[in-house]
Amino acid sequence: GAVVSQHPSWVICKSGTSVKIECRSLDFQATTMFWYRQFPKKSLMLMATSNEGSKATYEQGVEKDKFLINHASLTLSTLTVTSAHPEDSSFYICSARPPGLANEQYFGPGTRLTVT
Amino acid sequence: GENVEQHPSTLSVQEGDSAVIKCTYSDSASNYFPWYKQELGKGPQLIIDIRSNVGEKKDQRIAVTLNKTAKHFSLHITETQPEDSAVYFCAVIDDSNYQLIWGAGTKLIIKP
Repeated sequence: GAVVSQHPSWVICKSGTSVKIECRSLDFQATTMFWYRQFPKKSLMLMATSNEGSKATYEQGVEKDKFLINHASLTLSTLTVTSAHPEDSSFYICSARPPGLANEQYFGPGTRLTVT
Repeated sequence: GENVEQHPSTLSVQEGDSAVIKCTYSDSASNYFPWYKQELGKGPQLIIDIRSNVGEKKDQRIAVTLNKTAKHFSLHITETQPEDSAVYFCAVIDDSNYQLIWGAGTKLIIKP
């Protein structure tokens, strides 16, 4: 149980285009999902907390207009990187929190974004 | 706010030997301590966790110990195997917002 998927697993896009990444909780409903970014050989950096039916809460320094988050259902959250630039290239990981478990998070497999 | 330190950054052990990774934290009110394993190009996978009401938890070759007084917890892997090679992260829950505060990670290398 507690499986989280991400799609796509990797994507290459050109500068100036937008890319959407999907995060799904497959066998549980998640009122809260998290989006992380990870640079090579570094720990995970929280970008935003996504709550179903409400606006996402962004961490300091993360541009809301650049990283659009939508959590329209209890099993799906999306991250859209708008007007992507090479510096947005990174490994993006989502996680989902099962209902009633304030502490636990289950992670997706990650999405490798390369902006050329 | 909560601060988590993890050591060592790299650990190389002979196959079959034990590996120990240690983390310290700053907020004495923290009560949930997970360990994640991340293989190259994949997301983190929860391998074991411990809550503050116990001092040790074991799952086959993996164990976690918690010393609340000293504010540190450790991951122990016994009889290491090649598939244990990965980056391991400790984390602590920030009680104010239930976000994970991550250690810097330990790259574990199992030598054949």
